[in-house]
Formats: sequence, structure tokens, C-alpha cells
Amino acid sequence: KAGVTQTPRYLIKTRGQQVTLSCSPISGHRSVSWYQQTPGQGLQFLFEYFSETQRNKGNFPGRFSGRQFSNSRSEMNVSTLELGDSALYLCASSLGGQDEQFFGPGTRLTVL
Amino acid sequence: GEDVEQSLFLSVREGDSSVINCTYTDSSSTYLYWYKQEPGAGLQLLTYIFSNMDMKQDQRLTVLLNKKDKHLSLRIADTQTGDSAIYFCALGPHRDSSYKLIFGSGTRLLVRP
Repeated sequence: KAGVTQTPRYLIKTRGQQVTLSCSPISGHRSVSWYQQTPGQGLQFLFEYFSETQRNKGNFPGRFSGRQFSNSRSEMNVSTLELGDSALYLCASSLGGQDEQFFGPGTRLTVL
Repeated sequence: GEDVEQSLFLSVREGDSSVINCTYTDSSSTYLYWYKQEPGAGLQLLTYIFSNMDMKQDQRLTVLLNKKDKHLSLRIADTQTGDSAIYFCALGPHRDSSYKLIFGSGTRLLVRP
């Protein structure tokens, strides 16, 4: 069974731009969560989706948004990028959200 | 809110056992996880324990949970150089139906030949 895939793996953007990251969960998994990992703040929860509905949102500004499609694939969008948005963005999938969560390799975003 | 703490660094000799510790403040999580992260990679799920268990063994890995002291540990037997990585403990989801994981800051394990 294929694991969680994330595209692209690396991105370089400039301040003020926007970016869209994609996550394809493990086949059969309907819950997708997103996390931001930085050296200073560690791993922080962004949001979680199940059946195209956002069920939980972390403490991030409205510039961070996401969505989930009917095939459970998810995208997250960051608008008006800031230098502090440079991070590794990880997505995790699980069957229903309250069980084992499996992570993808992440997307490394660098904002210049 | 939930606070999860780990020591930052552990160095062991190859072949010895490693014990990585984690303490937490909130007891309402359903699962307690251990993840491994190698340089430039995502998080690899190593093992997990249900909150109603005290111990779980999985090949070289032993997880101990002391609910009274809110202490979780991961023991790696016969540690190898390939075990060098950052290890994160994570708690969640919560019984209030919050689906997020709360992570510790990670313990960097260095295995010396």
C-alpha cells in the first residue's frame, strides 16, 4: 500500500506570494491533518479534514487555509507569505482521525 | 493547554540500550505515540500505546507508560548507528474529539560506534 505523498517536496517563494501544497493520503484513509515544523516552534497543528469538512483548526492566522476533495486528497494554501512561514509542512493521514496517524515526507517551503 | 516535554539530547554507544523519556500534563489522550525523524525526512511512526495500557513491546522497542506520574518512555534495545535520529513523543487525539496530536520538542539520539 502506498504511503502518504506530498507535492512538491521543495518550494522557494518570495514574500507576499501565495503557495498551494498538496497531500494524497493512504488509500482508504479519510482524515488528513496538516502540521508546520520549525526549529523554533517545533511541530504545530494547522488543521484536520474529514470527508471534505474541517473538523479542527490550530492557532494560525487566516492566511493559512485548506480544503479536502471527495477523493480525500487535501491541499493547504498560504497567502501573503511572510519570512516566518518558512518551514517543513507535514501532512498525516488516518482512517478516521482518532487512530494511527501516518505522515508524508513533507514539503520544505522557503520564503525569501 | 497540553504540555509535552522531552530532553533534547541523548548519546549512547552502539549495542547499548537507549531510553528516551517524555512527560506530559494532560491525561485525556487516547493514544501516545513515538515517531522517528531522520534528516530531511518526514515522521516515521515507530510505535504507540493505548492510554489504558502500561507497557508495549515491539521487537527492539519497549514503551512504558506511567499514568500516575504522566511519564512515557521508549527503550531501544541493542541500539544501532541507524537509530541515530530525532525521536518525538506525541499525544492524541483527545477524548473531547479533538483530532490533533501534541508533540514534544524531540530528543536527538546520537549512537556512537
